[in-house]
Amino acid sequence: AQTVTQSQPEMSVQEAETVTLSCTYDTSESDYYLFWYKQPPSRQMILVIRQEAYKQQNATENRFSVNFQKAAKSFSLKISDSQLGDAAMYFCAYRTGGTSYGKLTFGQGTILTVHP
Amino acid sequence: DAMVIQNPRYQVTQFGKPVTLSCSQTLNHNVMYWYQQKSSQAPKLLFHYYDKDFNNEADTPDNFQSRRPNTSFCFLDIRSPGLGDAAMYLCATSRVEGRGGNEQFFGPGTRLTVL
Repeated sequence: AQTVTQSQPEMSVQEAETVTLSCTYDTSESDYYLFWYKQPPSRQMILVIRQEAYKQQNATENRFSVNFQKAAKSFSLKISDSQLGDAAMYFCAYRTGGTSYGKLTFGQGTILTVHP
Repeated sequence: DAMVIQNPRYQVTQFGKPVTLSCSQTLNHNVMYWYQQKSSQAPKLLFHYYDKDFNNEADTPDNFQSRRPNTSFCFLDIRSPGLGDAAMYLCATSRVEGRGGNEQFFGPGTRLTVL
């Protein structure tokens, strides 16, 4: 079974600064997808960024980028120019490849606080 | 706007009293999921539907059932809620298209309290 580990229960960052959230995973599969989801307080979870395991290039979405280290099974999220609206719980998630849908296995989450 | 809607947002029930949570979607997605998220924990998949095909996770208790009468609606039934079933229940949907890493779209969740 796949497992996802987020070792930072809480992180904080000053507005406009950069923060990196860590995620490691364990799998014997070669085809899979990795995701970062954001869950603001009392609001719905939304996708921040995704990475396909067979793509070596790190995904980027505006201020959000990942550092995907397949051999090390590491998938960290970097948030640049942090904004107050980035404050949320962030979940790293894994999904088996081969199909376009399926179970997400989530990490325990990291609560990000953004200080003005 | 296309979205995933969950009703009610907050549900209070009594120990052992059956309860039904509702999810609807306007995205016309084939797949609908139910996750359980306990306080400060990761969401855990209970089951999902691919069209009308029901897929139960191996460790989902029998106390949890689901119905999907049509593409748009999916229900979570808890037959005899226990105190340990108090949690946020998240509904999500995704489309089936090729082999892409399609995202799951989540509803706002229903927070269930069991008294």
